[in-house]
Amino acid sequence: SQQGEEDPQALSIQEGENATMNCSYKTSINNLQWYRQNSGRGLVHLILIRSNEREKHSGRLRVTLDTSKKSSSLLITASRAADTASYFCATKMNSGYSTLTFGKGTMLLVSP
Amino acid sequence: DAGVIQSPRHEVTEMGQEVTLRCKPISGHNSLFWYRQTMMRGLELLIYFNNNVPIDDSGMPEDRFSAKMPNASFSTLKIQPSEPRDSAVYFCASSGTGGPTGELFFGEGSRLTVL
Repeated sequence: SQQGEEDPQALSIQEGENATMNCSYKTSINNLQWYRQNSGRGLVHLILIRSNEREKHSGRLRVTLDTSKKSSSLLITASRAADTASYFCATKMNSGYSTLTFGKGTMLLVSP
Repeated sequence: DAGVIQSPRHEVTEMGQEVTLRCKPISGHNSLFWYRQTMMRGLELLIYFNNNVPIDDSGMPEDRFSAKMPNASFSTLKIQPSEPRDSAVYFCASSGTGGPTGELFFGEGSRLTVL
């Protein structure tokens, strides 16, 4: 079953604009991760945020986590055409043993 | 480091044929995962190995699917007999000390088409 669900399913913006993608999940988590997938390629890890963290930054990426709302957001600032890709959130549940569960992703198109 | 290496990158076969997908994880990583990606179902975990031992195979669709990890540097995913609904991109991923909750390193995938 899908634990994380990304929103929107697709996002189209112009270079230089900011892109915000959201992820909602259903049960309490240990950590939440964001991955990027370029067309025809494997997934690449972007950032991991733990359940006791509220915000993390990595370059032009900013991730927030709101455990009370069971949601996370990924913000890409000053987007570039090279940011065009699908973005996935993955959650590690907090109950017993579990591996990462991926959402279906947000497809981001950044036009020059 | 060369990263996770998968082969073949593309495979086209006919229904009923045996398919073997191969994976070489990153050296030193002790966790290995096989995922399947389709438009309809997204990315699904098929099986997870830790220290070459299968830990969770609850995602393996049915008996037609089998996976092995004979040593720390090699794993296979076999489908026998293959069916058109098996068409998907199959990813292998490995993880180091973070185990199943840490950062995953993915291969480039094997795109399988079953006619």
